[in-house]
Amino acid sequence: NAGVTQTPKFQVLKTGQSMTLQCAQDMNHEYMSWYRQDPGMGLRLIHYSVGAGITDQGEVPNGYNVSRSTTEDFPLRLLSAAPSQTSVYFCASSPGQIARGYTFGSGTRLTVV
Amino acid sequence: EDQVTQSPEALRLQEGESSSLNCSYTVSGLRGLFWYRQDPGKGPEFLFTLYSAGEEKEKERLKATLTKKESFLHITAPKPEDSATYLCAVQYGGSQGNLIFGKGTKLSVKP
Repeated sequence: NAGVTQTPKFQVLKTGQSMTLQCAQDMNHEYMSWYRQDPGMGLRLIHYSVGAGITDQGEVPNGYNVSRSTTEDFPLRLLSAAPSQTSVYFCASSPGQIARGYTFGSGTRLTVV
Repeated sequence: EDQVTQSPEALRLQEGESSSLNCSYTVSGLRGLFWYRQDPGKGPEFLFTLYSAGEEKEKERLKATLTKKESFLHITAPKPEDSATYLCAVQYGGSQGNLIFGKGTKLSVKP
């Protein structure tokens, strides 16, 4: 019963490098989302998906790309890392029914130098 | 303009000292209000969902209530293990099924 799995847990990038943050869920959830969490800013939505093949932008999408080729996986790509993308990233999934809420992964702490 | 505002930002209590955390929201067409607990270095953990004014939910020492403009998380006789950041989030007609979060209240309970 893994829930939402995020990899890696920690990552240091140089400015301009690209990378992919992985997110996988084994609960057959339709909805998946990516958030970033910064001190004093709370959790802010980056991108989300309401099903395989369907993605859309959230509040802070610039510099990030997503795709949803399967129900289980929702990777987040940083195209050209910038220091402003230093943050903790959380992936979350939901079956789409409000009562059951969203299940969050344990996060990826990213530092861009 | 913040759609979800939590207060206070931080709260320090003595063990056994009951108190409340506030979450006010300004969205229209509320579909659900969520409370999460977040421990340092971990992802948010789901606590409650509230749907309509007057609704209440309880779990151990926690009780969540909802009015038309705000929600309260009441903590009765807290213990040190209740120390965490408590997050409030809303889902509403314009959020496309997504959660919009407040900035959280950091609770510290001293023995």
